Amino acid sequence: KQEVTQIPAALSVPEGENLVLNCSFTDSAIYNLQWFRQDPGKGLTSLLLIQSSQREQTSGRLNASLDKSSGRSTLYIAASQPGDSATYLCAVRRVGSDSWGKLQFGAGTQVVVTP
Amino acid sequence: DTEVTQTPKHLVMGMTNKKSLKCEQHMGHRAMYWYKQKAKKPPELMFVYSYEKLSINESVPSRFSPECPNSSLLNLHLHALQPEDSALYLCASSQDQGRGETQYFGPGTRLLVL
Repeated sequence: KQEVTQIPAALSVPEGENLVLNCSFTDSAIYNLQWFRQDPGKGLTSLLLIQSSQREQTSGRLNASLDKSSGRSTLYIAASQPGDSATYLCAVRRVGSDSWGKLQFGAGTQVVVTP
Repeated sequence: DTEVTQTPKHLVMGMTNKKSLKCEQHMGHRAMYWYKQKAKKPPELMFVYSYEKLSINESVPSRFSPECPNSSLLNLHLHALQPEDSALYLCASSQDQGRGETQYFGPGTRLLVL
């Protein structure tokens, strides 16, 4: 059974510092891993999707890496801003005929960037 | 346009009421999803529709009844809900139910069952 863990559960940093968010998963048989952002009471915004064959993806200040063999992904946010305050969730797409379309989410890391 | 819309934004209903949640996308996506999210928890998959046919039902109670009338619309019919069903209901869509697709989420409907 796939378990997805995000540590830490909460993180507070001063503005300008780089953010490092971790995601680990127990079963390396995945198609891809997706990082999302969620503001309080709102829906999820897709940030980056990394296919299982890829090592990293970049978009602006965001960079996500994937090490499938060790079951880890890291999301880096450079030069954090107060507007980056949100909960960040990672989700994996498992391999298996019973899991098509199904994302397995971590519990998220709640980030606060202080001015 | 990568937008998934959901109506209503908020819904309060009694346990004897019947209500419906609506989700719409115009990206030409052929897979649509319903998720349930309790406070401070990750989303949990409820249903997946692929090409307007129910593909996955994650053992959801029958008081939740999904419907996909066409490729752009997804409904969730609610009847005789319980207070513990209060949650944020999220709709998502993707190009299809394939392996490498990004899922795009709507803003959600905040449901309170009294």
